[in-house]
This record gives sequence, C-alpha cells and structure tokens, in this order.
Amino acid sequence: EPEVTQTPSHQVTQMGQEVILRCVPISNHLYFYWYRQILGQKVEFLVSFYNNEISEKSEIFDDQFSVERPDGSNFTLKIRSTKLEDSAMYFCASFSGPQETQYFGPGTRLLVL
Amino acid sequence: SQQGEEDPQALSIQEGENATMNCSYKTSINNLQWYRQNSGRGLVHLILIRSNEREKHSGRLRVTLDTSKKSSSLLITASRAADTASYFCATDIWNTDKLIFGTGTRLQVFP
Repeated sequence: EPEVTQTPSHQVTQMGQEVILRCVPISNHLYFYWYRQILGQKVEFLVSFYNNEISEKSEIFDDQFSVERPDGSNFTLKIRSTKLEDSAMYFCASFSGPQETQYFGPGTRLLVL
Repeated sequence: SQQGEEDPQALSIQEGENATMNCSYKTSINNLQWYRQNSGRGLVHLILIRSNEREKHSGRLRVTLDTSKKSSSLLITASRAADTASYFCATDIWNTDKLIFGTGTRLQVFP
C-alpha cells in the first residue's frame, strides 16, 4: 500500500541553524501538508500546498518557514533559523483531492538545543 | 472552547471490553476523521465519515456522527492490548481542507 515517507526520522540541531525536513508524498496525490505536534500537545496545522504554491498557512508558519516541491516527488519544509520552541514532531501529509483521507508520514522528531 | 475536543482524556479498560471515545467540534465540517497514534509515533488513519453519513464501520471500529450536536464517537469493540494508543479526531472544516485535531484520548488496554 502506498505511504508517505519522511526523512530524517530524528534531527538534533543547534538554535539558529537551518534545517530541512523531507517528505515523499503518495505519488498520485496533489495536496500536501505540514503539521507539527509539540510533545504532549495536539497536532497543529502549519501549511498546505497545491499546484506549486501555498494555499493556506497558519500563524505559526512565519517568515522562518518555507516549503518547496523541488521535483516531482519531494516536498520539503525548511526552517531558516531554528528556535528552541521549534522542537516538535513534524508530520507531512498528502491526499488526492478535497474531502478525502489525509495520509500522514511517520514524522520527523526535531530537537533544537 | 476549541474545535475538536475529545473525552475522556484518558481511558483504561481490560482486554475484551469495549472502548468509547467522543469528539465534539464547533464549526460546519466536510468530514471527520479518526486517527491513532502510538506513543511518539506517526498518525495512522482509521476511518473517515462524511458530513452526510451517520454511522460507519471498519472491522472492530464503529464511528457515529451527529452533525446536529456537532459530535462524533469512536467505538472499539472487543479491545486488545495492542489497541493501547492515543486516538484523535480531526475535522475537515467546510471551505478549507486543513485538518483541525482534537486533544486526543489516551486509551490503555490491560491484558
């Protein structure tokens, strides 16, 4: 069964460093999302991406964040200058069309020291 | 209060018992989805129920949706120790496709 994959599974970085989280969505999906979950808290929407542009973003998704689909398969989330509070599990999700099931990747656990 | 609140926050049962988790939300939705998360792991999709559906089954899972009360329930029948996890409802709100997650129910099933 097709699945969303994410790399790396864990990343430790120093405050102020740039990180890039990578996702490979399900191949025939057109809509891509990033969510995050701070330890012990609920999953929060960050950004949605469709047709090579951001379709919606949350207030969390400030100028330090960016997304890109550099080729036909990868979808990346970049955090330019990480802060301690960026420590969280980051999930990528994809789905084929509006109102369909969103499939989530296994997540990248980011720890900012 | 928030879109997507589950109750109870935590539930402990014995293997073989049924587990019921409830979710309430505030705004109009396209659909409601239930996910499972093992501790520190990814989100596994369980079931999607659309706003025009009232009940849906998948194996030992039964989901109901009452749009007049803006609530949903997830029933796991004949629970197993392997069902131990956190369960989240997520609403796909009308006019947007982002999911709004609830606070989750932590289910512990004792063998």
